[in-house]
Formats: sequence, C-alpha cells, structure tokens
Amino acid sequence: AQSVTQPDIHITVSEGASLELRCNYSYGATPYLFWYVQSPGQGLQLLLKYFSGDTLVQGIKGFEAEFKRSQSSFNLRKPSVHWSDAAEYFCAVVGNDYKLSFGAGTTVTVRA
Amino acid sequence: EPEVTQTPSHQVTQMGQEVILRCVPISNHLYFYWYRQILGQKVEFLVSFYNNEISEKSEIFDDQFSVERPDGSNFTLKIRSTKLEDSAMYFCASSVGQDDGYTFGSGTRLTVV
Repeated sequence: AQSVTQPDIHITVSEGASLELRCNYSYGATPYLFWYVQSPGQGLQLLLKYFSGDTLVQGIKGFEAEFKRSQSSFNLRKPSVHWSDAAEYFCAVVGNDYKLSFGAGTTVTVRA
Repeated sequence: EPEVTQTPSHQVTQMGQEVILRCVPISNHLYFYWYRQILGQKVEFLVSFYNNEISEKSEIFDDQFSVERPDGSNFTLKIRSTKLEDSAMYFCASSVGQDDGYTFGSGTRLTVV
C-alpha cells in the first residue's frame, strides 16, 4: 500500500523568506501526488497536484512542487512566504486503490 | 468557486447516541468520500461512494458507520452508537473522477462526551 512521510513536524520561517516542505512517498508505480493546506478551523484546500508530465508543478498561492522519482520525493516550495501562509500542510498520495493517504502534516509558523 | 459544504461545523453528542453528519458535494462530481482526523493524528480514509454504493471502505468503517445519498445533492455519514474514540474532525470530499484532486469540505468537528 502507498504511504507518505513528512519528516518535519514543525517549521518556523521569517516572512519573506523561502520555504521548503519535504514529502517522501512509498508506492511501486507512478503515484498521483497532492499537497493540501489546512488553516486553523478550516478544511483542506488543494494547493497542487501531480499526475504525469512536467515534474515541476505550479499551484495556487505561489506554491510549486517538484516530483523526483529517483528520490521518491515531492517537496513543496514557496520563494517568499507571507504571514497568511501559516497553516498545516499535508502531502498525500493516491495509489491504485484510489484512496488518498496523507502524511502526518507539517505545521508552518511565520514570524514577522 | 464550487465548494463542498458540511453541516454542522461542530456537534457535541453523548456516548451511545446516533449522529448524522451532512455534506453537499459539488454538483457535477461523481465520487464522494469521508475522511476523519483525530486530534493530533493523520487524516484517515473512511469510505468512498460511487453510483449509489460504497466502492471502498477502511477497517475503521465498521458496522456502526453508514453512508447514504438520500437525494441528488446530500451525502451523509451516520454513526449509529457513538463512542468516545469517534471524537474527530470529519471531512467530506468529492471529485469528478477517481484520480482527480479531491475537493474537501471545511469539516465537522464531532465531540463525543
């Protein structure tokens, strides 16, 4: 079965600095990969997804992610964070059972 | 932008009571899901629903759980006899196809006391 690991539980970053959130997946075939964001008290919002093609995927809110098959990774990046980016971020994978498997999440704190 | 709507946003119930969590998926979506997130834990898959029947369910989704699409718009999750460990945030999601990005609702926080 597929699984996702997010190695960083909590990241603190200064406003305007760059951000990178790590995601490693385990799946035998080509995975479908997603990043979701959850602001406090809110639902899960899709930031971006990768199915095939270009391994650098652009998403909403200025986020991008790069699929690296050799490293089984799908790291999320943003060049310059805003205070509103403080939230919890979840990487997820869909395997051939069409179920989303989520990572444990990374909480991002933005300091002024 | 189309949304998945969940009601109520927060429900408190006594142990042993039945609860129904309601969801209105996006109108042209065909696949419907329930996930839950126990505080401090991962978001977990509960069940998927397509063509008026369950297509997949997890080991969590035991006999006390049921789902229904009673009309053309609502998608409900019923917990027959709630337990303390059912306390969690329950998310409804829908998608056009099985391998699309799912749209999630804002969740229902269920507290069993």
